[in-house]
Amino acid sequence: AQSVTQLGSHVSVSEGALVLLRCNYSSSVPPYLFWYVQYPNQGLQLLLKYTSAATLVKGINGFEAEFKKSETSFHLTKPSAHMSDAAEYFCAVSEQDYKLSFGAGTTVTVRA
Amino acid sequence: NAGVTQTPKFQVLKTGQSMTLQCAQDMNHEYMSWYRQDPGMGLRLIHYSVGAGITDQGEVPNGYNVSRSTTEDFPLRLLSAAPSQTSVYFCASSLTGGSGNTIYFGEGSWLTVV
Repeated sequence: AQSVTQLGSHVSVSEGALVLLRCNYSSSVPPYLFWYVQYPNQGLQLLLKYTSAATLVKGINGFEAEFKKSETSFHLTKPSAHMSDAAEYFCAVSEQDYKLSFGAGTTVTVRA
Repeated sequence: NAGVTQTPKFQVLKTGQSMTLQCAQDMNHEYMSWYRQDPGMGLRLIHYSVGAGITDQGEVPNGYNVSRSTTEDFPLRLLSAAPSQTSVYFCASSLTGGSGNTIYFGEGSWLTVV
């Protein structure tokens, strides 16, 4: 069985500060891992995905995530937050076909 | 490209009414699915389809029906709406069933059952 835990339902950062969103997963097989972003009243947009090619994955909008098997983690980071990064972020795991299991989400607020 | 298109975007239903949420994709994707999003719970899979004529249940299928008569369309039917079905519904599609394939989401349908 697969599951995802996102630590922290809300994160507040200052503009220009580091953004760190934590995601831990459980999976019985090597997983595929994803981060999605959702802007208000919109659908989900893929930020990046891990498919075993490289442990450090770079995505859109300056985000990246590192897969750490020993820690079963896939944390999302961005060195310098921008006001446009305010959104809800979802970590997801897939281990069979294409069915995704999502974390509960983390809402990011960016302070000017 | 239109991508994944859902209609309606907003709907208010009375308890016991039925309705259909429409979903269409123009990317010739084999896999389509419906998720519901509730606060603090992320997205949960309702039903999915691996191709025309084939559907299966996800994590929370009760109270919903689906069919897949064409590759493009995957409607979700609420048989007798209940307040517990108040949620945001997302349709999604993927090219094939490989676990690493990108899943594309529609813009969502906000449903309120009163």
